[in-house]
Amino acid sequence: NAGVTQTPKFQVLKTGQSMTLQCAQDMNHNSMYWYRQDPGMGLRLIYYSASEGTTDKGEVPNGYNVSRLNKREFSLRLESAAPSQTSVYFCASSPMRGAQETQYFGPGTRLLVL
Amino acid sequence: GENVEQHPSTLSVQEGDSAVIKCTYSDSASNYFPWYKQELGKGPQLIIDIRSNVGEKKDQRIAVTLNKTAKHFSLHITETQPEDSAVYFCAASSLEQFYFGTGTSLTVIP
Repeated sequence: NAGVTQTPKFQVLKTGQSMTLQCAQDMNHNSMYWYRQDPGMGLRLIYYSASEGTTDKGEVPNGYNVSRLNKREFSLRLESAAPSQTSVYFCASSPMRGAQETQYFGPGTRLLVL
Repeated sequence: GENVEQHPSTLSVQEGDSAVIKCTYSDSASNYFPWYKQELGKGPQLIIDIRSNVGEKKDQRIAVTLNKTAKHFSLHITETQPEDSAVYFCAASSLEQFYFGTGTSLTVIP
């Protein structure tokens, strides 16, 4: 099993450009998450999908949209990139959404917005 | 919401010594506390976790302790090795959301 995979690994955008970060998991997990990681701030939740067909906002959703394409795939879209969105983005999945469910992370996408 | 504080932010130890990383949380409803290891250029990987009905858990050289009364939990790594060098994150799970600490960069000096 590949676990959680993310594409692309690196991306450079100009301010105002759009892009979609892709995430897929092969563990038959119901819940999926998008985080951003910034220096000195740990991981912050952007959006999550508790199950196929549902999405909800996390701690820092502004400037992002998500799509739960099917049970395996969960994409994150930046409609008009801003320098403040320069970050490392991680996708994660868990069997269910719950307080005691372990989350498994992908390798990350490093995004630079100029 | 939950607030998780993690200390220290950086830690250097000699190979073979022990390393301790501490986290505090604010929400007494939090009941799941995972620890993740993140190597350079990779995603966080779960190394150990503890649930609120347990005070201590050990897995080979790694142990985690939880004090619910004081709202703090700690990661203990014994007999450290160079491959333990990484960034370690604690997290507390409250109302179905993970809240992460800001990370500890551990360097094990050979």
